[in-house]
Amino acid sequence: EPEVTQTPSHQVTQMGQEVILRCVPISNHLYFYWYRQILGQKVEFLVSFYNNEISEKSEIFDDQFSVERPDGSNFTLKIRSTKLEDSAMYFCASTWVREKQPQHFGDGTRLSIL
Amino acid sequence: EDKVVQSPLSLVVHEGDTVTLNCSYEVTNFRSLLWYKQEKKAPTFLFMLTSSGIEKKSGRLSSILDKKELFSILNITATQTGDSAVYLCANNNAGNMLTFGGGTRLMVKP
Repeated sequence: EPEVTQTPSHQVTQMGQEVILRCVPISNHLYFYWYRQILGQKVEFLVSFYNNEISEKSEIFDDQFSVERPDGSNFTLKIRSTKLEDSAMYFCASTWVREKQPQHFGDGTRLSIL
Repeated sequence: EDKVVQSPLSLVVHEGDTVTLNCSYEVTNFRSLLWYKQEKKAPTFLFMLTSSGIEKKSGRLSSILDKKELFSILNITATQTGDSAVYLCANNNAGNMLTFGGGTRLMVKP
């Protein structure tokens, strides 16, 4: 069964450094998402992306965050200057048809900021 | 602000027991309610519910939605140790953003 793949599985970065998290959505999917889950807390929506544009974003997704689909397969989340509070599990998700199909999640990238 | 609340927070049962997990929601522009199972990593999709009163079933798992009372339940019959996980309920609104509840941690003992 097709799946969403994320790399790396674990990223350790010094505070203030830039980090890029990578995702390969399911191949025929058109809508892409990033969520994060701080340890012990709820999964939180960050951003949705369709047709090379951000569709929706949450309050968490401030100017330090950006997303990009640099080629036909990858979908990336960049954090420009990481903070300690960015430490979390970051999940990528994708779906084929907005609202009518479920979002399928990757295994996540655990981001640890030192 | 959309809100999803799950209960109980955690549950310990023995193999063979039946469990019912609860999810209540307060949302604007409701589109669907989803259940996911989260073991060590990715939330894996279980059910998507859009209509009241129609039970969705997959093996020992089933779920139903009540749009009037704004809740959903997930039932697991004849539980097995492999059912041990965190079960997440999420609302999908018109913006296609999932709002998750805090989850119910289920532990099934042999």
